[in-house]
Amino acid sequence: DTEVTQTPKHLVMGMTNKKSLKCEQHMGHRAMYWYKQKAKKPPELMFVYSYEKLSINESVPSRFSPECPNSSLLNLHLHALQPEDSALYLCASSREADRMYEKLFFGSGTQLSVL
Amino acid sequence: KQEVTQIPAALSVPEGENLVLNCSFTDSAIYNLQWFRQDPGKGLTSLLLIQSSQREQTSGRLNASLDKSSGRSTLYIAASQPGDSATYLCAVFHAKFYFGTGTSLTVIP
Repeated sequence: DTEVTQTPKHLVMGMTNKKSLKCEQHMGHRAMYWYKQKAKKPPELMFVYSYEKLSINESVPSRFSPECPNSSLLNLHLHALQPEDSALYLCASSREADRMYEKLFFGSGTQLSVL
Repeated sequence: KQEVTQIPAALSVPEGENLVLNCSFTDSAIYNLQWFRQDPGKGLTSLLLIQSSQREQTSGRLNASLDKSSGRSTLYIAASQPGDSATYLCAVFHAKFYFGTGTSLTVIP
């Protein structure tokens, strides 16, 4: 199993809603990532979890709250988002977070629209 | 700060043509470089990974080279097919991944 599974695939939410994005991998990877990607732009790193602990937060606004319940699961809790937060949210994983041989495996993403 | 640039931003070629995509980075202190493919609205699929000590990697019709000292990598696609149409991104790794701006490839049947 070399898949990273993200749900939902599409999400529309209002600015007062609370929603969560979910990501799961069963490759035994110990590093998991959230990226945000706007149309025709490269992915931007948001968070990195290494061994279930938050290791990198790229100064992301607090309306985005990550959670890593266990080594296979990664959530991104959303609250009071702005229309400019509309984007493709990508989850990724790798065996380790800071080793030179690491290959990134991406999920298919959640297309988020904030109205 | 590491900056990764890809040229051209868009490329359109007839089917069967061989083509080269370019990636340049400003800081040569990288551990590895990966090439990814992304279809519209989808996630990224890793195509090739080159370690910093390697010069090239091959997979099928794809060949990627790395010249760390000059801060350059190329992705060579042989005998292009319409199914190769996608956006291709390179990413360099040093503490974290830095992504390039991408090249949008269209292969015309």
